[in-house]
Amino acid sequence: RKEVEQDPGPFNVPEGATVAFNCTYSNSASQSFFWYRQDCRKEPKLLMSVYSSGNEDGRFTAQLNRASQYISLLIRDSKLSDSATYLCVVNMHTGTASKLTFGTGTRLQVTL
Amino acid sequence: DAGVIQSPRHEVTEMGQEVTLRCKPISGHDYLFWYRQTMMRGLELLIYFNNNVPIDDSGMPEDRFSAKMPNASFSTLKIQPSEPRDSAVYFCASSVQGGYGYTFGSGTRLTVV
Repeated sequence: RKEVEQDPGPFNVPEGATVAFNCTYSNSASQSFFWYRQDCRKEPKLLMSVYSSGNEDGRFTAQLNRASQYISLLIRDSKLSDSATYLCVVNMHTGTASKLTFGTGTRLQVTL
Repeated sequence: DAGVIQSPRHEVTEMGQEVTLRCKPISGHDYLFWYRQTMMRGLELLIYFNNNVPIDDSGMPEDRFSAKMPNASFSTLKIQPSEPRDSAVYFCASSVQGGYGYTFGSGTRLTVV
């Protein structure tokens, strides 16, 4: 089983639509969570952190359910510029060690 | 700050040749990570360093891969000998405290023919 699993998509949505991505992780000891965005042929970039209480950044809302080991990202009022791959990321600390584990990503295509 | 700088951007080499990828992390970042990205496997962590010391190299696929960090501002990932299955995009990333918002370099697209 992969440590971080995502639906690869693609999700094709019209401009203005609301779209949600889900992600599950296997290691219950995981301690911090993120969503990264990766544009075609570019490097991944941090989109937002994910907190247990849920957090919002403009049109983006992230949620974490530790009991179900489930993370979500909601994008409201989709823009053409939101087209990208969204990577679910989990961080597990072991002593002084810390490393991010990435899901394979969910591709979003927003169309006119 | 110029961000994480990787070189070369593209590398095409013949099977059996040695390949060296280079990375300059952001000044002041104490963690450096090497990732490999392919369509099939996504982003895989190869190795990471903390304060120039390798911490976890369990992701390095085999002995053909080696990585060094001789000082806080430079790291290399070497593949010797290279094989076609090594073709991928190799990313270097750095962070402070190892995990709170990595900054990635632009990557090196490696093609082994």
